[in-house]
Amino acid sequence: NAGVTQTPKFRVLKTGQSMTLLCAQDMNHEYMYWYRQDPGMGLRLIHYSVGEGTTAKGEVPDGYNVSRLKKQNFLLGLESAAPSQTSVYFCASNLAGGSSYEQYFGPGTRLTVT
Amino acid sequence: GDSVTQMEGPVTLSEEAFLTINCTYTATGYPSLFWYVQYPGEGLQLLLKATKADDKGSNKGFEATYRKETTSFHLEKGSVQVSDSAVYFCALRKTGNQFYFGTGTSLTVIP
Repeated sequence: NAGVTQTPKFRVLKTGQSMTLLCAQDMNHEYMYWYRQDPGMGLRLIHYSVGEGTTAKGEVPDGYNVSRLKKQNFLLGLESAAPSQTSVYFCASNLAGGSSYEQYFGPGTRLTVT
Repeated sequence: GDSVTQMEGPVTLSEEAFLTINCTYTATGYPSLFWYVQYPGEGLQLLLKATKADDKGSNKGFEATYRKETTSFHLEKGSVQVSDSAVYFCALRKTGNQFYFGTGTSLTVIP
C-alpha cells in the first residue's frame, strides 16, 4: 500500500512555462485535494474532487486547473507559471461518508518559478 | 463559517519539558477534530483524532481532549523529545468534503 504519491518531488520552471503535477492514491478514496503551503499561511485549498470526473474550486484556484479522469489520479496543471506560484504543493485524499475519516497526504512537490 | 485557530509559534522547549499547543474551533454541528504533524521535508501525518465531545485522542505520548463547552482541542505532551520537533496542525472536518486547518505551530525541542 503506497498511500498517496506525488510526481515530481522537485521542479524549477521559468515564468510562462507549463507543467502538470500528478497525484495517485491506492486506497480507493473518493475525495482528493490539492493544497499549497506557503510560509506563515498554513495550507490553502486550491481545488478538490469528490469523485471521478468531478472537480471544484477551493480557496485559491486562480492560475490552476485540475482533472480527475480516473478515481485514483488527480492532476494539477499550471498553464503559465508565475513566480507567485512558487510553493510546496500537497495532494491529499480521504474516504467519503462520516466526518471521522482523516485525510492522507502525499510527500509534497516543491516548485520554484523563476 | 467554520474555522480553526491555533496558537502562533514558534515554540521552543527544552527536552523533557511539558508541551501545550492551543487549538480552538468554530463550527456548527458536530465536527471531528484532528492533530496532524509535519516533519521537515515531509507531508502531514495524522497524529491523533477525536470524533465526539469528551473523546480523548492519544498517540506517541501526545493527547488532546475534545471540549465542546470551550470549543477547544488542545494538544499536550508531558515530556517532549528532540524528535518531536516539527510543525503541528489542528484541523476539523464535518460530514462532507471540507477540512479546515489551522495555520500550524512550529515546535523546536533543544537538548
